[in-house]
Formats: sequence, structure tokens, C-alpha cells
Amino acid sequence: GAVVSQHPSWVICKSGTSVKIECRSLDFQATTMFWYRQFPKQSLMLMATSNEGSKATYEQGVEKDKFLINHASLTLSTLTVTSAHPEDSSFYICSAHPRTSDTQYFGPGTRLTVL
Amino acid sequence: GDSVTQMEGPVTLSEEAFLTINCTYTATGYPSLFWYVQYPGEGLQLLLKATKADDKGSNKGFEATYRKETTSFHLEKGSVQVSDSAVYFCALSGAGGTSYGKLTFGQGTILTVHP
Repeated sequence: GAVVSQHPSWVICKSGTSVKIECRSLDFQATTMFWYRQFPKQSLMLMATSNEGSKATYEQGVEKDKFLINHASLTLSTLTVTSAHPEDSSFYICSAHPRTSDTQYFGPGTRLTVL
Repeated sequence: GDSVTQMEGPVTLSEEAFLTINCTYTATGYPSLFWYVQYPGEGLQLLLKATKADDKGSNKGFEATYRKETTSFHLEKGSVQVSDSAVYFCALSGAGGTSYGKLTFGQGTILTVHP
């Protein structure tokens, strides 16, 4: 149980375009999902907390207008990287936790490469 | 704010050797503590957790004890296998308020086990 999926698993795009990444909890409902960014050989940095039915809460230093987060249902959150640039290339990971647990379950990640 | 410090890697061991990966933390209140593992090409998986002082989390032969007096949560395994080669992350979950549910990660420790 407690499976989280992400789509796509990898994407390559041109500079200036927008990319949407989906995160789904497959067998549980998640009122809260989290988005992380992981640089090569580095730890995960929390970008934002996505709350179903309300606005996301962004961590300090994360641009809200660049990383748009929508949590449309209890099983789906999306991250849109707008006007992507090469410095946005990274591994983006989402996580979710069931309402009754403080354990987070992670998606497999999405590798974004901006040319 | 909350922080997690892990022992620097990479760690290279022979099969059946004893493993210790040190983890210390700084947090307000009483956080939950976690070890996550990331196998090559995969997403993070929860390895074990402990939610209060003196709790011992265990899974797949790995153990870690929540030591409040030393603010530590060291990961140990008595006999490692080649299949344990992965990146290990220590993390804590905020104890309450606006930090509830947010995970703060250590920098990760790369473990390589040779036959």
C-alpha cells in the first residue's frame, strides 16, 4: 500500500517553455502533498507544501510564480515549471502522507532537463 | 530552525561488515525521526522510523534508536549485503504548528557494499 506515482518520469524541454509534473497517491487520500527538489549528490530541499483545496505554501526563496502548484483533489497535485531555464534542470520529487499518519511516501521523481 | 546532520560519505564496505551511519539533529519540540533509502534509479523509500525518545525503529536488519539526550538517530546493521548499496537519508518531521509534516533531510550518505 501507500503508493505515490509521478508523471512523467523524465522530460526534456526547450528554454522558455512550461512543464507540468503530476503527482498521484494511488491507494490513499492525501490532504497534503510536498514537492522537493534534489540536485545531483545532494539532499532533498523542500520547495512547497500543497494543500487540497487551498493555496500552496512555499518555502523561503522559492518563486511562487515560477513553480505553480495545484492540488485539485485528494489524490492529485501538479507542479508546473513556467518559462523553464537551464538552471531549473533538476530532479523533482513529490511526497504525500495519509491523513492518519506522519509517514510520507515518495514518488519516484521526475528528471527535468531544460536545454 | 530544524536541521539534520549525517556522517559524510561515501561509505564503502565489504559484504557482511558492520554498518553505522551517524545522524544528529536539532529541533524544537519532539520530532519524529526517519531513515529513508534511495536505491539507484528509484524513489525514496521509508526504511524505519521512531516517534518518541528511546523508541527503536527496525526493518530489514537495520536499526536506529531515538536518543533524545544526544539528539541522535544512528543507523546500524550487523551484516550488510551488496543489495544494501544505496543512498541513505536521515530526516525529521516537524513536531507541530506550521512545521507539522514537513521533512527536513540530512545530506544523504552513499553506501557501496562490495562482494
